Amino acid sequence: KAGVTQTPRYLIKTRGQQVTLSCSPISGHRSVSWYQQTPGQGLQFLFEYFSETQRNKGNFPGRFSGRQFSNSRSEMNVSTLELGDSALYLCASSLALGRETQYFGPGTRLLVL
Amino acid sequence: DAKTTQPNSMESNEEEPVHLPCNHSTISGTDYIHWYRQLPSQGPEYVIHGLTSNVNNRMASLAIAEDRKSSTLILHRATLRDAAVYYCIPVQGAQKLVFGQGTRLTINP
Repeated sequence: KAGVTQTPRYLIKTRGQQVTLSCSPISGHRSVSWYQQTPGQGLQFLFEYFSETQRNKGNFPGRFSGRQFSNSRSEMNVSTLELGDSALYLCASSLALGRETQYFGPGTRLLVL
Repeated sequence: DAKTTQPNSMESNEEEPVHLPCNHSTISGTDYIHWYRQLPSQGPEYVIHGLTSNVNNRMASLAIAEDRKSSTLILHRATLRDAAVYYCIPVQGAQKLVFGQGTRLTINP
């Protein structure tokens, strides 16, 4: 079974632009979560989607948004990029909500100049 | 969210056992204790989880204290591939994983 895939793997943007990252979960998984990893703040939870609905949200500004499609694929969007948004963005999928094991993708490394 | 305390770093030798401690004194009675690890340049990967009793799988063993305020991840025979940052995470019903700083494990050949 294929693992979690994320595209693109690397991305360079400039301040003020917006970016969309994509995540394809493991086949059959219906829950997708997003995390941001930076050297200073470590791994931080962004949001979680299940059945196309956002179920949980971390403490990030409204510039960070996401959605989930009927096939469980998910996208996250960051508008009006700031230098501090440079990070590794990780997507994780799991079978369902609850204390299910999460399976992480390799991440998208975003650099904002 | 329950807070966790882990050593910043640990070092061990190849083929020796490694015991990675974690304190989670504010854990609630229904929180499971999950361990994930992150190898260099990869996303985190699940290692093991438990609630009250000790657990074993092909990767590791998890020993949970009777009062559940601490746990220890045990790698029985460390290999170079086990060099990673290990995270201990109390997990409630929701899916949100709250990662601390973790323990950076170095394995010497």
